[in-house]
Amino acid sequence: QSALTQPPSASGSLGRSVTISCTGTSGDIGGYNLVSWYQQHSGKAPRLLIYEVTKRPSGVPDRFSASKSGNTASLTVSGLQPEDEADYFCSSYAGSSGVVFGGGTKLTVL
Amino acid sequence: ELQLAESGGGLVKPGGSLRLSCAASGFSFSLYTMNWVRQAPGRGLEWVSSISNVGTFIHYADSLKGRFTVSRDNAKNSLYLDMNSLRAEDTAVYYCAREMAELDAFDIWGQGTVVTISS
Repeated sequence: QSALTQPPSASGSLGRSVTISCTGTSGDIGGYNLVSWYQQHSGKAPRLLIYEVTKRPSGVPDRFSASKSGNTASLTVSGLQPEDEADYFCSSYAGSSGVVFGGGTKLTVL
Repeated sequence: ELQLAESGGGLVKPGGSLRLSCAASGFSFSLYTMNWVRQAPGRGLEWVSSISNVGTFIHYADSLKGRFTVSRDNAKNSLYLDMNSLRAEDTAVYYCAREMAELDAFDIWGQGTVVTISS
């Protein structure tokens, strides 16, 4: 069982928006502004989308945005494209426990 | 090009040992904290271990209970993971990943190496 809780699946229509949640505790998400999000296409390595809750590395489209409120972080994908169909994982620094991940959300673009 | 390339995976019997390696290129390896992350078949990501740029600070996931040892050789731009007393539940793809600026975010990943523990 993963430390952070994500919905197993999410879906959205082409061009629309979808938001994926990630729920932790005050010992991880709620306690630190060190939440990251990753995209993973089938059979590939993960790709960093978001770090420090809201920041995008260079090369990540601004269609990807994120936020945090209390113990829950969220990733929003706007203007859904076919290539956005993938698994999405959240992670957070968790103090002495290191880094914890969510179980992942499979995003389907309809 | 920034690259990480893992090697050393394979099929091992329960109770056996294995050493994974990760070769870095295209960046100043000695400046970065490096991590190992694994992914069991059909499952999510699990952080395994981290080692600071010169090896001063080392951390492991609680679940490993001292069975794994991370190390690095900055002269060889290489990261290692020694795994002992392997169990079926250690079966996974093992990724090495570069940590960006001590932010617990992993910006460069290798392609992964497959470790299978089975009799």
